[in-house]
Parts: sequence; structure tokens; C-alpha cells
Amino acid sequence: EAQVTQNPRYLITVTGKKLTVTCSQNMNHEYMSWYRQDPGLGLRQIYYSMNVEVTDKGDVPEGYKVSRKEKRNFPLILESPSPNQTSLYFCASSQDKNYGYTFGSGTRLTVV
Amino acid sequence: QKEVEQNSGPLSVPEGAIASLNCTYSDRGSQSFFWYRQYSGKSPELIMFIYSNGDKEDGRFTAQLNKASQYVSLLIRDSQPSDSATYLCAVTHSGGYQKVTFGTGTKLQVIP
Repeated sequence: EAQVTQNPRYLITVTGKKLTVTCSQNMNHEYMSWYRQDPGLGLRQIYYSMNVEVTDKGDVPEGYKVSRKEKRNFPLILESPSPNQTSLYFCASSQDKNYGYTFGSGTRLTVV
Repeated sequence: QKEVEQNSGPLSVPEGAIASLNCTYSDRGSQSFFWYRQYSGKSPELIMFIYSNGDKEDGRFTAQLNKASQYVSLLIRDSQPSDSATYLCAVTHSGGYQKVTFGTGTKLQVIP
């Protein structure tokens, strides 16, 4: 089944404790992206990647890092999480920006 | 001015009626336009995309694009209670990169 897999689905952590949210797609898509979704603010793009080793900032990149060492994986790293990073995170992939994204199931992160 | 604007709703329509969802965007160079449906607690799901001015139909859904007015809409004919969800408009940016901006969504309620 074609899908984007994120883990974990739920995560509660403490301020400053580094964490990684994994994302993997099995569709051989070149394009991958991370979004966060907050009430009233909608989906905002954090980072995107156009291919292996090619990444760029979205609208809200501060406090996040990404890497794209393999085509299928695009982890999101929070090196020192803060409470304002409490949000619902989505990973997405696409064969091309003009074809729309397939989204993962989401990761609900709470930073206390 | 927000880059992609949608009325947050809720938009309430009776079962069997036509639901009309609207979206305006600010980037005149935008090339691709998408409608996603998001059920409560779920990830966004692509339902329509449109690139050219005019109408595009897919089953009960019709997307309409007017680039001169920077306006894109989604019509849902014969609305069903299962169509009750939040509908997100998304727009790609000019410049050949993967930046995709979402509106905050319109909540649709179909009343049986």
C-alpha cells in the first residue's frame, strides 16, 4: 500500500530534550515536506526537500532541523524543544509539486 | 494580507444541496491549486487539483479557477453527511520550488 508513515503518533516530552520524528514514504517520491497544524493558523510549512541532500526552509523553520540522506526518509529533528512547538505535525510526499501531497497520519507533540 | 484566504465557516448546507467553497490567493505567479479534505482528527486528503482557468469536474466535485481574479472554488453537488469536514485550499508558489501554502480551511456541515 502506498503510504507515508510517521512515528510516533503521540509524544509528550519535556523542554530541551532532543527528539526526532521519523517519516518514511514507499512511493519513490522526490519531494517531501513537513507541516505543523495549529488551531486558527492552519498548516504551515516547516521544511521541504526536493531530493536527497536538497532541503530548504518553509515558513516556520526556527527550532527545527531536517535531513534527507535517503530518498524514502525525511526525519524532523527538534534539538531543544520548547512549549511553543506543541502542535500536530504532518509529513507529506509528492512526485512533483504540481501533483499534490500525500500526507502521513500525523504526530501530536506536546512539550511541557 | 494572508497568502491564501478562506472563510472559516462553518458552512451549513442541507443534504442534497450544492456546497460552494471559496479561496483567494495573493501570489499572481501561482501555478497549481489544490483542494484537500480533512476529517476531524485525520490527515488532509487530496480531492482535486486544477492548473488552468475554467472548470474541472470529478464525480460530485467541481473545481473552478479564475487566475485573473486570483480565485479558486470547489463545488460539491448532492452534498452528503459524509462530506462534513474541513476543506483546505492549497496553492503552489511561483519560482519552481516546492513551497505550498495552505489556507486555514472552511468547515462544512451537511445537515441530514
